[in-house]
Amino acid sequence: AQKVTQAQTEISVVEKEDVTLDCVYETRDTTYYLFWYKQPPSGELVFLIRRNSFDEQNEISGRYSWNFQKSTSSFNFTITASQVVDSAVYFCALSEANLEGSSNTGKLIFGQGTTLQVKP
Amino acid sequence: NAGVMQNPRHLVRRRGQEARLRCSPMKGHSHVYWYRQLPEEGLKFMVYLQKENIIDESGMPKERFSAEFPKEGPSILRIQQVVRGDSAAYFCASRQGGASDEQFFGPGTRLTVL
Repeated sequence: AQKVTQAQTEISVVEKEDVTLDCVYETRDTTYYLFWYKQPPSGELVFLIRRNSFDEQNEISGRYSWNFQKSTSSFNFTITASQVVDSAVYFCALSEANLEGSSNTGKLIFGQGTTLQVKP
Repeated sequence: NAGVMQNPRHLVRRRGQEARLRCSPMKGHSHVYWYRQLPEEGLKFMVYLQKENIIDESGMPKERFSAEFPKEGPSILRIQQVVRGDSAAYFCASRQGGASDEQFFGPGTRLTVL
């Protein structure tokens, strides 16, 4: 069965600190995608990143970086020099790859989310 | 190209009434997913539809919930005889056909059952 675990329910940091949000996943598929979404207090879902299971290269986008470790089934997210506007709930998600000819539907399996509070 | 649109954004119903939630996918997208987010929880998959077909409804409650995606018009998630436990945010996502796997989310509909 597929499962995503975000063990950290809440994290509180002071502005400018670095913070890492953990994500561990389980899947039987060899081809899959991993995602991170941000849900600010306004409630919408903001897409942050999608990672293919064959691409283990870490990625950096501004203050955001992601560490994909297939060996430990983890896809951790780090915010460098956090800001108050980073305060939100962050979700990690997994989807089966919707390959041609497969029965996979591409539905997303979400973790429970980590609430990040950045204090000024 | 407009994003995924959902309406209404907020819906209040009394117990026993019906709730109809609408989702207009992005232009050219023929695949729609519905997810539910209960208070203080993550999103849970409910149903996956293609035009005029329900492909996967493994996440739908067995009673009172139904979904459709007609040939013309938006996808509808219908909840009959709502109960307080149905209060949640309902998100719709769409993607293109073929092997593209990226889903684009709408802003959600927040249902409150009094």
